[in-house]
Formats: sequence, structure tokens, C-alpha cells
Amino acid sequence: DAKTTQPPSMDCAEGRAANLPCNHSTISGNEYVYWYRQIHSQGPQYIIHGLKNNETNEMASLIITEDRKSSTLILPHATLRDTAVYYCIVRVSGSARQLTFGSGTQLTVLP
Amino acid sequence: DTGVSQDPRHKITKRGQNVTFRCDPISEHNRLYWYRQTLGQGPEFLTYFQNEAQLEKSRLLSDRFSAERPKGSFSTLEIQRTEQGDSAMYLCASSLGGSGLSNQPQHFGDGTRLSIL
Repeated sequence: DAKTTQPPSMDCAEGRAANLPCNHSTISGNEYVYWYRQIHSQGPQYIIHGLKNNETNEMASLIITEDRKSSTLILPHATLRDTAVYYCIVRVSGSARQLTFGSGTQLTVLP
Repeated sequence: DTGVSQDPRHKITKRGQNVTFRCDPISEHNRLYWYRQTLGQGPEFLTYFQNEAQLEKSRLLSDRFSAERPKGSFSTLEIQRTEQGDSAMYLCASSLGGSGLSNQPQHFGDGTRLSIL
């Protein structure tokens, strides 16, 4: 699975959009991008995933660049409860394999 | 809608003791994963089941560790002769997999935090 690079930390003002970047320049054509987050003392929570088209669900939007070498997770109106470590993970389509977590981005939403 | 359930949430034990953790996956999920997470790090894969078959084990899973999923439903993870380095959060995840079900996300429980005295 391709390696991902994320900034170690970011701040965002409450009510504003949080844009979390992820670089996956070695991604292959059959690899999906997954986003998870982990709030302190809880297990990772699935947010969203996509292959090449932009995706949106009730939690977030995922924007994948046309060359697929990077993506951005967007939380449209961040709240204090969105403070968490956000992980960007790349995984081969159809794979039953485990997720490989990096260090993630610590997002702190400020009041 | 019940998620992945893990028991106990916390376990404190003395070095050298055996411990066992339980994971109840989401009911229709046929795949089950165990991960370990130490402070400040992301989760690391330990082992994976499809139904009752253990299909993959990480090199992190020493011979003191054993996992089972006897009926393809709940799973147990046992650590024998615990050591200080076993102190960590042990996470379980489950997903639905198979033909036509590719790319289903894994859903995690809130883990069992193990502390070795």
C-alpha cells in the first residue's frame, strides 16, 4: 500500500471549515484513499473513502486531485468535538488486508 | 445499530500473568482484525480473521500471543506471561467482505487498555 504524508498538527476555528491535506504521491490506480479519525481514548472512527471522484457524506467531503497524488478531507463546519487525530490511509481495492496507520494529523478546533 | 464491542475496557495485571480480551464484531461482519496501539502512535496490525479462519499474522504477534474466532463470531486475544512492553491499547475492528463487497470500511471498537505493573 502507498505511503501517505500528513502535517503533524493543525488548528481550526470553531464554525470554520477544516481542510486536512494528505500526500500520497506513489498511489497506484487501484488504491483507495480512506480517512479515519481517533478521538482521545476511543477507537478509530471511519469517516469517508474514495478512489478518484470527490465524495461527500454526512460527516465530511473528500477531494482527490486529478492525478490522485494528494487529497483533502474537508469538515465543513468544525466543532470542538471534531478535535481528534485524523489518519489518511491508502489501500488496494478489494483488499482484505489490514489498514496501515501513519502518525496522522492532530486537529485542534479552537473556540 | 450496535457497533464493535470490546471487553474489558481496562485491564491491570502483574507482569507474568495471562490476560484474555474479547471482541464482539458487528453481527453480519465476516472479517475481524486485531490491532495494538501504544501512546502517541497509530494502531499497528496484529492479526486478521475471515470467518473462523485466521488468515494473516503480523511479526508483532509473538508466540505469547494467540487469537481465536471459534465460530466466526466473537474473537478472543490471549497474552501469556505478560511483559512490561505489552502495555498498550488493543483494538478490534470488523468489516464485511467478499465478492461484490470490496472496499467496505473497517469499524473499530473502543479498545481494551492493558497496563502491566
